[in-house]
Amino acid sequence: DGGITQSPKYLFRKEGQNVTLSCEQNLNHDAMYWYRQDPGQGLRLIYYSQIVNDFQKGDIAEGYSVSREKKESFPLTVTSAQKNPTAFYLCASSTPGGGSGANVLTFGAGSRLTVL
Amino acid sequence: AQSVAQPEDQVNVAEGNPLTVKCTYSVSGNPYLFWYVQYPNRGLQFLLKYITGDNLVKGSYGFEAEFNKSQTSFHLKKPSALVSDSALYFCAVRDGNGGFKTIFGAGTRLFVKA
Repeated sequence: DGGITQSPKYLFRKEGQNVTLSCEQNLNHDAMYWYRQDPGQGLRLIYYSQIVNDFQKGDIAEGYSVSREKKESFPLTVTSAQKNPTAFYLCASSTPGGGSGANVLTFGAGSRLTVL
Repeated sequence: AQSVAQPEDQVNVAEGNPLTVKCTYSVSGNPYLFWYVQYPNRGLQFLLKYITGDNLVKGSYGFEAEFNKSQTSFHLKKPSALVSDSALYFCAVRDGNGGFKTIFGAGTRLFVKA
């Protein structure tokens, strides 16, 4: 079945450590996204990528980094510069075009990061 | 810049009654509008979208939404609520003039009481 796989589901980090969240999709989607979810603030866009080897900052990119070396993969690194990294992180993908599924975001199950 | 407002943090409705979850948006180009639902500790699931065409859009699980350009609104509705509809609902907007950036509202928690 096609979908998006995020790993790990739960992650604990000590202050000062970088961590990388994995996001893999087998939907053949061109665009991929990372969102952060905090209670009462909805989803906030961290980074997005429209094609391989290209990505753009979202509204809260500071303290995060991404890469898009393959169409299927869009890992997110939470660096020590991110002052409040405890949150639920969601990866998504989409494809343009005219079909019924076009432009719709397909989400992974999420990764919950907790800083100790 | 794009933005989405969901003015209600929470909506309470009795089972069998109609429900409305409100959404207003701001985007410079043509709006692509979406509704998603989230159950606890899960990713979001797509409900419906407006890209072009009829202002009344029908989606999954009996939900529908009406696009109102003059009021820049895209309210989610259902004629008869079910207890199982209780969840967190998100409205989202994307600039249809070539942009891929999709922005979400803060979410509205729907409680349907039996």
